[in-house]
Amino acid sequence: DGGITQSPKYLFRKEGQNVTLSCEQNLNHDAMYWYRQDPGQGLRLIYYSQIVNDFQKGDIAEGYSVSREKKESFPLTVTSAQKNPTAFYLCASSIFGGNEQFFGPGTRLTVL
Amino acid sequence: GENVEQHPSTLSVQEGDSAVIKCTYSDSASNYFPWYKQELGKRPQLIIDIRSNVGEKKDQRIAVTLNKTAKHFSLHITETQPEDSAVYFCAAGTPNTGNQFYFGTGTSLTVIP
Repeated sequence: DGGITQSPKYLFRKEGQNVTLSCEQNLNHDAMYWYRQDPGQGLRLIYYSQIVNDFQKGDIAEGYSVSREKKESFPLTVTSAQKNPTAFYLCASSIFGGNEQFFGPGTRLTVL
Repeated sequence: GENVEQHPSTLSVQEGDSAVIKCTYSDSASNYFPWYKQELGKRPQLIIDIRSNVGEKKDQRIAVTLNKTAKHFSLHITETQPEDSAVYFCAAGTPNTGNQFYFGTGTSLTVIP
């Protein structure tokens, strides 16, 4: 279903801990994206990367960090600086300049 | 940046009736307008899209219209079926320049059998 995977499906974290969400794609897409989904707020962009070793902040980047060392991988770290990290996180990919974004199955993060 | 507003937030229709979801955008540079469907517990998937040089596009029971002057676009679903029940998101952007999409807040559609 799209060749983009996210792990884990569910993640629990204690306050004050950093946690890394995995996103891998085998679609040979150049661009990758991280979104946060909260009830009633749609999809909000955290970070995106159009090419390896380069990425840009989205609208809600504070408290998050990313890396893009490989074309296939775009991990997201939720740091302790993120004040309200409990949410559903979606990763997506597309060809550079392409229209359709293909989404992963998502990771639901809960901070205890 | 772009601001996309979507209405209504929830919509219930009887099976067989039509459903219409509306979105407005603020940036006149936006030239691509996709619609995504997200079924419960699943990932969003593209169902239809339209470019700014086209006023209407149809795919079976689904159609999208775009009014560039008024900066609004709409999703029309005819002859609704229970499997159409899902959350629908509109978006706007300029993907050909490598820029991000901006998504609306979503519409939860329920089709009552």
